[in-house]
Amino acid sequence: EIVMTQSPATLSVSPGERATLSCRASQRVNRNLAWYQQKPGQSPRLLIYDASTRATGIPARFSGSGSGTEFTLTISSLQSEDFAVYYCQQYNNWPPLTFGGGTKVEIK
Amino acid sequence: QLQLQESGPGLVKPSETLSLTCPVSGGSITSSSYFWGWIRQPPGKGLEWIGSIYYSGSTHYNPSLRSRLTISVDIYKNQFSLNLSSVSAADTAVYYCFSCDSGRCFVPFWGQGTLVTVSS
Repeated sequence: EIVMTQSPATLSVSPGERATLSCRASQRVNRNLAWYQQKPGQSPRLLIYDASTRATGIPARFSGSGSGTEFTLTISSLQSEDFAVYYCQQYNNWPPLTFGGGTKVEIK
Repeated sequence: QLQLQESGPGLVKPSETLSLTCPVSGGSITSSSYFWGWIRQPPGKGLEWIGSIYYSGSTHYNPSLRSRLTISVDIYKNQFSLNLSSVSAADTAVYYCFSCDSGRCFVPFWGQGTLVTVSS
C-alpha cells in the first residue's frame, strides 16, 4: 500500500497571502496525484489531477506541481472561500486508493 | 454530468449489516468509462477508500475491510450498493459514493455523503 503523508497538518495564513501544501508518497506515483478541497459539511471537491491539471471550474490561483514522490499544491492568493481542508490522493498503484491525512488551511 | 446520491439507514446496531445504495443519474452504470465506489470519513478524520466496482461486476476492496464487504451493481436500477457486515462503533462515518475514470481513478463525482452511526 502506498502511504501518502501531508504537511503541515495545519497552515495559518492571512487572506491574500500564498499557501504552499506538501504531499509525499511512500513510493513513486509518477504524476498520478490528485488534490481535493473539503469544507465543513460538504463532499470533497476535485481541484487538481495528474499532479498539475486544474479540474473544470477551478480558479487559476490553485496550482499543482511535482512528480514521483514529492508534490505541492499552491494557492497563490488566499481568498476567504479557500479556508478548508485539503487532501492529496494517489491513483498510480491501486487498489487501494490512498489519501493523505489532510492539511487544514486556517485564517491567521 | 454524473449525479450520485447515497441512500440508506442513518443508524445501524452493532454486529448488524450496514447497507447503502447509490442511484446514478446523468449516465449509465454500464458505461465502460467509469469505476463506481465508496469512500468513508469518520467524524473529524480523513478519507478512507472502501472499495470500487466496474460495470462487469469486477471488484476491488480495501484489504482492511474485505472480509466484511460486498459491493454490487444493479444495471436495471442503474445503481450500485454497499454492504458492510458485523459493524462496530469504528464504522461510524460519513459514507460517500463516487465515480472515477476507469483509466485513472481520481474522483470528480461525489455523492453528498450520508452519516451512518453504529449504536445500540
